[in-house]
Amino acid sequence: GAVVSQHPSRVICKSGTSVKIECRSLDFQATTMFWYRQFPKQSLMLMATSNEGSKATYEQGVEKDKFLINHASLTLSTLTVTSAHPEDSSFYICSARVPYRGGNSPLHFGNGTRLTVT
Amino acid sequence: QKEVEQNSGPLSVPEGAIASLNCTYSDRGSQSFFWYRQYSGKSPELIMSIYSNGDKEDGRFTAQLNKASQYVSLLIRDSQPSDSATYLCAVTFSGGYNKLIFGAGTRLAVHP
Repeated sequence: GAVVSQHPSRVICKSGTSVKIECRSLDFQATTMFWYRQFPKQSLMLMATSNEGSKATYEQGVEKDKFLINHASLTLSTLTVTSAHPEDSSFYICSARVPYRGGNSPLHFGNGTRLTVT
Repeated sequence: QKEVEQNSGPLSVPEGAIASLNCTYSDRGSQSFFWYRQYSGKSPELIMSIYSNGDKEDGRFTAQLNKASQYVSLLIRDSQPSDSATYLCAVTFSGGYNKLIFGAGTRLAVHP
């Protein structure tokens, strides 16, 4: 079945540093990937839509200069949290659709990255 | 405003009972509806998808969709303690990229 791999699963960094999270589609090509963030006891909030070969589309309220998204190939999207602060500590999850199943098919999620900023 | 509403719970049911989870959504143009299960600290996993009005059954799970009422539900029969998790309703909203918007989730607790 379709698999989305995310790395790292857990990262602790100091305030002011940057962290890169990788999301790979392992057995299909994903022209579009979606990045979500989830704070404790809250639901998944869509941050941005990552598009292969073009700029990401950010949701309202998400700072594009802080959360840099690069979708350089059909199987890899990266999210870089720049100048991280403790309030950026969250669970970041990427997802993708298997393209041949159409735009209304379900999203497959990576295992998520738990970011803790100290 | 894209909205997906769920009762946060917790919904507590005894083992073997039917658990009923409900969800409403705001976009009349939505075409795709999903139920995901999320265990604490884990990413969501797909339980059911439904695209047409009516019922769709898969094992112990039944999804129900009523587009006129903008309502989707999930029934879990013969609930097991291992079903205890947060259930997320997700709706694909019309517009570019078919973005999937999640409800806040309903926490289900199945007690022996």
